Amino acid sequence: DSGVTQTPKHLITATGQRVTLRCSPRSGDLSVYWYQQSLDQGLQFLIQYYNGEERAKGNILERFSAQQFPDLHSELNLSSLELGDSALYFCASSTLAGGEDTQYFGPGTRLTVL
Amino acid sequence: AQKITQTQPGMFVQEKEAVTLDCTYDTSDQSYGLFWYKQPSSGEMIFLIYQGSYDEQNATEGRYSLNFQKARKSANLVISASQLGDSAMYFCAMRPLGTGGFKTIFGAGTRLFVKA
Repeated sequence: DSGVTQTPKHLITATGQRVTLRCSPRSGDLSVYWYQQSLDQGLQFLIQYYNGEERAKGNILERFSAQQFPDLHSELNLSSLELGDSALYFCASSTLAGGEDTQYFGPGTRLTVL
Repeated sequence: AQKITQTQPGMFVQEKEAVTLDCTYDTSDQSYGLFWYKQPSSGEMIFLIYQGSYDEQNATEGRYSLNFQKARKSANLVISASQLGDSAMYFCAMRPLGTGGFKTIFGAGTRLFVKA
């Protein structure tokens, strides 16, 4: 158990809908990262927050947005869902924002868009 | 552009033997970190080992060691005394070092099968 929690574990929804994925980092970690893992794209970095502020942006679609709240939990919002958004979404956390900081991953949320 | 290449889609190893999983990378950054993660069939991503580009010694963590050859831009993972529980996907990852926010890039992964 990494100490990172993600809810829900599974999510099934329809095209065009909007969903929110939630992540609670390890105690004391200030950075949160979101990743998407799909069969065709592999593991893709989406976005990083550090202590409430966006720090780095990867291949995140405009239909997706994220935020980190004062209690350091983070939410990833996915809207206007398409079939291709079906994937495993991971949240990871690290103590700081430095490149050498180890990221500890949560168990993931499996999103299925029908 | 940064890139991670894992050329072995699948590998077989006999239980109790050692196995090397290959990882080569391309980056223009002077300082970077290299990571290996394990993903069992249950789906979670488990951190295994870290190597900084500035480290002169190869990293080791229990049965895991990282064979870092900077000039060749390779960071191979060596698993000694393989166990059945080592059967999983293994991902090599890289990130620039510093105090800002940086993207982490992952390789396509290598699926390891440990035979009894």
